[in-house]
Amino acid sequence: AQSVSQHNHHVILSEAASLELGCNYSYGGTVNLFWYVQYPGQHLQLLLKYFSGDPLVKGIKGFEAEFIKSKFSFNLRKPSVQWSDTAEYFCAVRSFMNRDDKIIFGKGTRLHILP
Amino acid sequence: GAGVSQSPSNKVTEKGKDVELRCDPISGHTALYWYRQSLGQGLEFLIYFQGNSAPDKSGLPSDRFSAERTGGSVSTLTIQRTQQEDSAVYLCASSTRLGGLFFGEGSRLTVL
Repeated sequence: AQSVSQHNHHVILSEAASLELGCNYSYGGTVNLFWYVQYPGQHLQLLLKYFSGDPLVKGIKGFEAEFIKSKFSFNLRKPSVQWSDTAEYFCAVRSFMNRDDKIIFGKGTRLHILP
Repeated sequence: GAGVSQSPSNKVTEKGKDVELRCDPISGHTALYWYRQSLGQGLEFLIYFQGNSAPDKSGLPSDRFSAERTGGSVSTLTIQRTQQEDSAVYLCASSTRLGGLFFGEGSRLTVL
């Protein structure tokens, strides 16, 4: 079965620092990849997604992610974080293994930005 | 409605009681998911409905959990004989056939 790993459970950065959150998945066939964000007290929102084409995906609020098929990775990046980026970030994968196209999530990374 | 609607937003129940959680997806979305969110566990997949296909129940943690989706729209997640470990936020999400997910606000369940 497909699995999703987010290795950083809790990240603390100062404002203006660069951010990279790791995401790896286990199934190497066709995949759709997502990053979702949950701000404090709010529901989950889509940050960006990759279905096909350019492996470098731009999302909202200055976030981007790069799909590297050879590494089974879809890391999230932002060159300069802001205090308002404090949130929990979830990586998610839809694979098409054995006609199973459900979306599963990693355990999330809590990002805390110091003002 | 414009978004995914879940009710109740908060539910406090006693151990051993049954609870029902409701999800009203975005109109026209064929896919509907239930996830459970608890501290440190991320989003745990529970069940997935896609159109008229048989649901994928592989994430349901025990036979006390069940879900149905009537008329391809509203879904109800039922937890029988609730236990304290069932306390969590239950999230519903919907999407087009292979689109990204839109989430509801969740139903926070507390089992005393």
